[in-house]
Amino acid sequence: DAKTTQPNSMESNEEEPVHLPCNHSTISGTDYIHWYRQLPSQGPEYVIHGLTSNVNNRMASLAIAEDRKSSTLILHRATLRDAAVYYCILGDNDYKLSFGAGTTVTVRA
Amino acid sequence: EAGVAQSPRYKIIEKRQSVAFWCNPISGHATLYWYQQILGQGPKLLIQFQNNGVVDDSQLPKDRFSAERLKGVDSTLKIQPAKLEDSAVYLCASSRRGQADSPLHFGNGTRLTVT
Repeated sequence: DAKTTQPNSMESNEEEPVHLPCNHSTISGTDYIHWYRQLPSQGPEYVIHGLTSNVNNRMASLAIAEDRKSSTLILHRATLRDAAVYYCILGDNDYKLSFGAGTTVTVRA
Repeated sequence: EAGVAQSPRYKIIEKRQSVAFWCNPISGHATLYWYQQILGQGPKLLIQFQNNGVVDDSQLPKDRFSAERLKGVDSTLKIQPAKLEDSAVYLCASSRRGQADSPLHFGNGTRLTVT
């Protein structure tokens, strides 16, 4: 299984951008990069996914390195509701999503 | 659209008892997943269904866990007999096509405590 590496935790101030890094040096050419987040006492929530090009949606932006060995999830203006565990996951052809421990994001008011 | 529904929300049982969890995926979603999430860890895939067929159950402890998806819609996950280490949140997820570019939609899970 392709693996990802994320920092254990990150802190941010409210209304400031948050850049969450993810390393996936063993990614294969057909693996999609997915991001999910999990708020306390809830199931994971889909945030964004991409293959090669940068992606934007109403929740976040995904910046993918040219060699695809790393990516960054960007929350443009953090709010208190963005405090969660963020998971960076590779989706292969069998679409087995293997979750690691993720990055715990704390947002300071 | 309505989300993934799971019940019960909480369950407390004694070890060696049996328990069942129910999941109703989003309408039209062909793929259904059961995950186990132990406190402080990321979710771990237990079983994946495509319609009513099993795609992957390699991490399902088959001596005590079983799952079915009748008619390719609702699914149940059963544990019999339960052990203390089964205490976890059991998450159900569904996706439209079960392919690498098809997002997963999760329910809020069932929190199981085995005493």
